[in-house]
Amino acid sequence: GAGVSQSPSNKVTEKGKDVELRCDPISGHTALYWYRQSLGQGLEFLIYFQGNSAPDKSGLPSDRFSAERTGGSVSTLTIQRTQQEDSAVYLCASSYSGGRNNEKLFFGSGTQLSVL
Amino acid sequence: GDSVTQMEGPVTLSEEAFLTINCTYTATGYPSLFWYVQYPGEGLQLLLKATKADDKGSNKGFEATYRKETTSFHLEKGSVQVSDSAVYFCALSNSGGSNYKLTFGKGTLLTVNP
Repeated sequence: GAGVSQSPSNKVTEKGKDVELRCDPISGHTALYWYRQSLGQGLEFLIYFQGNSAPDKSGLPSDRFSAERTGGSVSTLTIQRTQQEDSAVYLCASSYSGGRNNEKLFFGSGTQLSVL
Repeated sequence: GDSVTQMEGPVTLSEEAFLTINCTYTATGYPSLFWYVQYPGEGLQLLLKATKADDKGSNKGFEATYRKETTSFHLEKGSVQVSDSAVYFCALSNSGGSNYKLTFGKGTLLTVNP
């Protein structure tokens, strides 16, 4: 595919359940980012992967949140024991190298998570 | 830490009106500055960027000038169209360290009426 692909596009879950969100970045992009978009809160950085370097997890809001990136490509964001405040749109983005501060990020369409 | 503050919306304009969306930032070092746009039902996409002081980014009739003295990157367009209705995000990427994550403002919803 030409762009960043995220699945599912919508996820409704019950409080306390675990969820997994998937991101397929653009082929060849070594940098991958997860952001969370909450109503009225803008985009909140969650985690950043760049090549084989240790990920920057500084934005993860609690230890219920974790992410993996397998083989330098696909990434999965896992939220354990979901809470209602986790409801948001989770956005994934990728960039070519992540090694310069003027790089363009390419965003997916996001996963709308609703925790009931 | 780094932060971006942009004017709160929503902003409602008539077609052909002049648009300004204010954005100021706080950052150490020499950040790059961006405007991203999110059209209804679509993902975020880069609108324009500027990488150093006094640079002007421009695209689709939109402009923004990197003003280091006022730490600002205001977005302007001389004549808006209905198709410009979207949410606009100001963002910065800092050159310090090895992490180039974007820090975003909260977004400004623009509605242009015919």
